Amino acid sequence: KAGVTQTPRYLIKTRGQQVTLSCSPISGHRSVSWYQQTPGQGLQFLFEYFSETQRNKGNFPGRFSGRQFSNSRSEMNVSTLELGDSALYLCASSSKTGHYEQYFGPGTRLTVT
Amino acid sequence: DQQVKQNSPSLSVQEGRISILNCDYTNSMFDYFLWYKKYPAEGPTFLISISSIKDKNEDGRFTVFLNKSAKHLSLHIVPSQPGDSAVYFCAASAFTSGSRLTFGEGTQLTVNP
Repeated sequence: KAGVTQTPRYLIKTRGQQVTLSCSPISGHRSVSWYQQTPGQGLQFLFEYFSETQRNKGNFPGRFSGRQFSNSRSEMNVSTLELGDSALYLCASSSKTGHYEQYFGPGTRLTVT
Repeated sequence: DQQVKQNSPSLSVQEGRISILNCDYTNSMFDYFLWYKKYPAEGPTFLISISSIKDKNEDGRFTVFLNKSAKHLSLHIVPSQPGDSAVYFCAASAFTSGSRLTFGEGTQLTVNP
């Protein structure tokens, strides 16, 4: 089975721009979660989507949003980029929501200049 | 408020010996725990998980121990191999929070040949 894939792998944007990141979960997985990893804050939960519905949201401003499509693929969008948004954005998938093993993709490295 | 803490930023062991990585949590709602390892520029790789109804779970060289009264878990790797050198994260979730994981800060394990 193919693992979780994320595109693009690297991205450079300018302050004020917006960005869309994509995640394709493992085949058959219906839950997709997004995390942000930074040196100062570590790995932090952004949100979870299950069956096209947002199930949970972390403590991030409204500039961070996401969605999930009927094939379980997910996108996250960050509008009005700030320098502090520079981070590794990770997507994880699991078969269902709840206490199930989550498998991570390789991440998208976003640099905001 | 750091709800999951890994107090040792780094650990160095000799090849063939046991590696013990520790993790403490404060949120009594957490009832499912996972360990991941992470190489630079890659997403975390799932290693092993444990539910709060158990106090031990084994998978090959990896064993996780859970002490609920102390709110403490540990990961034992026996025998340690140079390829185990990576950053290890413990993560926790609560039944009411879907797939949301709260991560510790990570411990850098170095296994010396």
